[in-house]
Amino acid sequence: QVQLVESGGGLVKPGGSLRLSCAASGFTFSDYYMSWVRQAPGKGLDWVSYISSSSDYTNYADSVKGRFTISRDNAKDSLYLQMNSLRAEDTAVYYCARAGIRQAFDIWGQGSMVTVSS
Amino acid sequence: EIVLTQSPATLSLSPGERATLSCRASQSVTTYLAWYQQKAGQAPRLLIYAASNRATGIPARFSGSGSGTDFTLTISSLEPEDFAVYYCQQRSNWPLMYTFGQGTKLEIK
Repeated sequence: QVQLVESGGGLVKPGGSLRLSCAASGFTFSDYYMSWVRQAPGKGLDWVSYISSSSDYTNYADSVKGRFTISRDNAKDSLYLQMNSLRAEDTAVYYCARAGIRQAFDIWGQGSMVTVSS
Repeated sequence: EIVLTQSPATLSLSPGERATLSCRASQSVTTYLAWYQQKAGQAPRLLIYAASNRATGIPARFSGSGSGTDFTLTISSLEPEDFAVYYCQQRSNWPLMYTFGQGTKLEIK
């Protein structure tokens, strides 16, 4: 079935780094734009970054620009988010999401928790 | 950057009642306006795309309308499983970026 599965979350100290992965299955991964969306505890949804289907284009929310890098490997049906210089305010559940029909996020992963704390 | 403002923040209704949720944009958006439902501990679920189109498997009691800066999600007759948080979301064309509203919590009265 169509599925996204995130991994790589955990506890990291402020200033540290973490790499999230998102494994796609059940669809042609290389056909779709992909995004990362996060949700801080008790808060709303916050778009983080997107990458085009062939990695030609990316963009980031201002809050993570210069610290986070999105990438993908279409041969491995995988999406990544490299997070550097992490701050306490980056603590959140991170979701990968597929931009499907009319660019709406039609498929979501289950989420991966990232906690930034000393 | 386009800002989406949802109202009300909390809506208290009973099963069987009609729910009307609003999403207002700070400037005119394209038709890339979507609505999501999120239940506690779960990932969001796409309900409506392109302002008025139901996603696959979404019951007919959910409908979306609007254009320009004002959009509405209507649930015609609330079922117990509809009590959740709802988010609107838009996509800007250039630079490509996405924005979510702050959410409306639909709670049982």
